Amino acid sequence: EVQLVESGGGLVQPGGSLRVSCTVSGFTFRSETMNWVRQAPGKGLEWVSYISSGGGTIYYADSVKGRFTISRDNAQNSLYLQMNSLRDEDTAVYYCARGGFSYENSTYYDYFDYWGQGTLVTVSS
Amino acid sequence: AIQMTQSPSSLSASVGDRVTITCRASQDIRKDLGWYQQKPGKAPRLLIYGASSLHSGVPSRFSGSGSGTDFTLTISSLQPEDFATYYCLQDYNYPRTFGQGTKVEIK
Repeated sequence: EVQLVESGGGLVQPGGSLRVSCTVSGFTFRSETMNWVRQAPGKGLEWVSYISSGGGTIYYADSVKGRFTISRDNAQNSLYLQMNSLRDEDTAVYYCARGGFSYENSTYYDYFDYWGQGTLVTVSS
Repeated sequence: AIQMTQSPSSLSASVGDRVTITCRASQDIRKDLGWYQQKPGKAPRLLIYGASSLHSGVPSRFSGSGSGTDFTLTISSLQPEDFATYYCLQDYNYPRTFGQGTKVEIK
C-alpha cells in the first residue's frame, strides 16, 4: 500500500524557519518525482515545488522562490521542504504528492497520483 | 505562468443531475490537464489525467474532454459522495497552476 506521511508542521513566527518532511512507503521512492502543494485555510490549492527522482531538477513557485528549498534523501525514502523567511501568507496545509505519469498515444501525461494527509504550518506572532 | 480559470466557482445540484465544470487555460496546453476532487479535511484525489483519461479506480460517471485552452469535467449522474470541490491542474509546464476550484453543493 502506498503511503505518504507528512510531519514537522507547527506554529512559527514571521521571519522564522521550519522544515517539513514527507516519509513514503509502498513504492520505489528513488524512481519517482515528488512535489509539494499547499492550501491556505479556506482557499484553493497552490503548487509549491517539484524535485526529480535524482534531485537534479528542481522548480519552485514564484511565491516561494529564494525562501524555500526542496530536497530528498532516497536512502531514507524522505522528501523535505525547508522554509525560511516565513510570512503570514505561508500559513497553509502542506501536502506532498507523488508525480506519476502515463504514456498514451505517443504522449507522456503527468499527474499527482498519491498524496499525503498534509501538515499544517501556521505563521503568526 | 499559465492562468487556469474555472467556472462556475460553485454550483448547487441534486443527486442524479448531470454536472459540468469548465476550465480555461490562458494559452494552449494541448491535453496536459488533470482534474482533482477534494473533500473537506482530506487530500485531493486524482480523477482525470491527459484531459480525458480516467484514473484507476475512478467511477465511469466521471469524464473529461477538451484540448488546447478549453476543458470540461462532467459527472453524468451526481451521487451523494460526489459533493466536493473540484480543481483543474495544468501539467504543460512549470510552475504548475491550479484552477480556483468549483464547489459542488447539495441543492
